[in-house]
Amino acid sequence: GEDVEQSLFLSVREGDSSVINCTYTDSSSTYLYWYKQEPGAGLQLLTYIFSNMDMKQDQRLTVLLNKKDKHLSLRIADTQTGDSAIYFCAESRYSGAGSYQLTFGKGTKLSVIP
Amino acid sequence: EAQVTQNPRYLITVTGKKLTVTCSQNMNHEYMSWYRQDPGLGLRQIYYSMNVEVTDKGDVPEGYKVSRKEKRNFPLILESPSPNQTSLYFCASSLFTGSYEQYFGPGTRLTVT
Repeated sequence: GEDVEQSLFLSVREGDSSVINCTYTDSSSTYLYWYKQEPGAGLQLLTYIFSNMDMKQDQRLTVLLNKKDKHLSLRIADTQTGDSAIYFCAESRYSGAGSYQLTFGKGTKLSVIP
Repeated sequence: EAQVTQNPRYLITVTGKKLTVTCSQNMNHEYMSWYRQDPGLGLRQIYYSMNVEVTDKGDVPEGYKVSRKEKRNFPLILESPSPNQTSLYFCASSLFTGSYEQYFGPGTRLTVT
C-alpha cells in the first residue's frame, strides 16, 4: 500500500496545543513532511523530518516520528487563529530511475476557536 | 523573489476546448510537477519532470499532457477537457528530485462545463 492517512478535521481553542496525526504505509520513505495550506493559497512547507530521526522541534512545532508504527504527528504549541489552515502530511519515497515521488495525505483542516 | 507562477489563476471553459495552464519558476530548479486537488481526495500528482525533456506520469495522468522544453517552464495541456477535470491545479518545483522542499504555485482553479 502507498496511502498516507490523516483525519480530516481538528478543532482546538486558541492557546491550546494541536496535534495532527498521520500514518503512512511505505517503510522505504526517506523524508516525511508537513505542509500548510491557507485559504486560497498554495502549499507551504512547514517542516520535515528525515526517516532516521524520531523527533524534530522548530519553535512552536514538534514533529514526532514512530517508524515502527509508521506514525507521524505534528504538534503546534500555543495554537493561534493564524494557524487555522489545512495541514498535509506527505512522504517522499524512491520510485526508481533516480526519481522520488511525493505522496500527500488528504489534509487535516485545523479550526482554531478564539 | 523566488517563486512559482501559474496562469491563469481562474478559468472557466467548455468541454472539448483545448487549454494550457502555464507554470514558470525562477529558481533554476530541475524538478517540476503538477498536482490536482479535489475535496476529500487531497493532492494527486498528474505529471512530473526531472529535467528538460524528461517527463513522466504521476498517479492521475489521463487526459493531460505536459512538456518541458525549457528548464523554467512546465505547461499543463488539456487537449479535450471534460467536467471531471474541474479541479484546483498546483504546479510545484524543487531543486532536484528528492529535494526536501517543493515550492508551490498559487493554484489554478479550473471549471469545465
